[in-house]
Amino acid sequence: DVKVTQSSRYLVKRTGEKVFLECVQDMDHENMFWYRQDPGLGLRLIYFSYDVKMKEKGDIPEGYSVSREKKERFSLILESASTNQTSMYLCASSSPPRGRGFNEQFFGPGTRLTVL
Amino acid sequence: GQSLEQPSEVTAVEGAIVQINCTYQTSGFYGLSWYQQHDGGAPTFLSYNALDGLEETGRFSSFLSRSDSYGYLLLQELQMKDSASYFCAGALPDSWGKLQFGAGTQVVVTP
Repeated sequence: DVKVTQSSRYLVKRTGEKVFLECVQDMDHENMFWYRQDPGLGLRLIYFSYDVKMKEKGDIPEGYSVSREKKERFSLILESASTNQTSMYLCASSSPPRGRGFNEQFFGPGTRLTVL
Repeated sequence: GQSLEQPSEVTAVEGAIVQINCTYQTSGFYGLSWYQQHDGGAPTFLSYNALDGLEETGRFSSFLSRSDSYGYLLLQELQMKDSASYFCAGALPDSWGKLQFGAGTQVVVTP
């Protein structure tokens, strides 16, 4: 059974703290993604990685960084958490599409982060 | 980026048929996919349309018209377990398989 796991389901942090969200996939996927999900806004891409140590900014990268030292693990880092980063964070992985094809993204259960 | 528009909520009774429309402002997507997300759960893949036309998978069907920048997800013989949020997502024309998601449609199934 394919699986994407995230380190915490719920996390409460204080403004200014450094926050690490971890994601691990067991499908040997090249691509990994971090999204944030807010009501009425859907899923917005923060960063993605297409290989170890390779990363690209998504639509809303400000205030975030990422790390991918191993193929199965993709970390999202909030260098100095702020209240407007309170959200649900979802990790996903996929194989790269072939040509004009598509490969489904597999999602983790999410981490609900509250920044006080 | 490109935006995808879908209704925020749809309510229907068990056994009914629901159509969730998704329109996007510009062309350029390779195709349109649909994801389901139950409350507290992870989004899960439902379908993908690379070509114009209807794709059927059991009770769920998905349609795409590139010329109209429009697609829909059809849920037939609604069951209580179909109460969830449904997201359309455009497959971006890159080599990494990135998706652009709509805001989601909450489907509420009543007895």
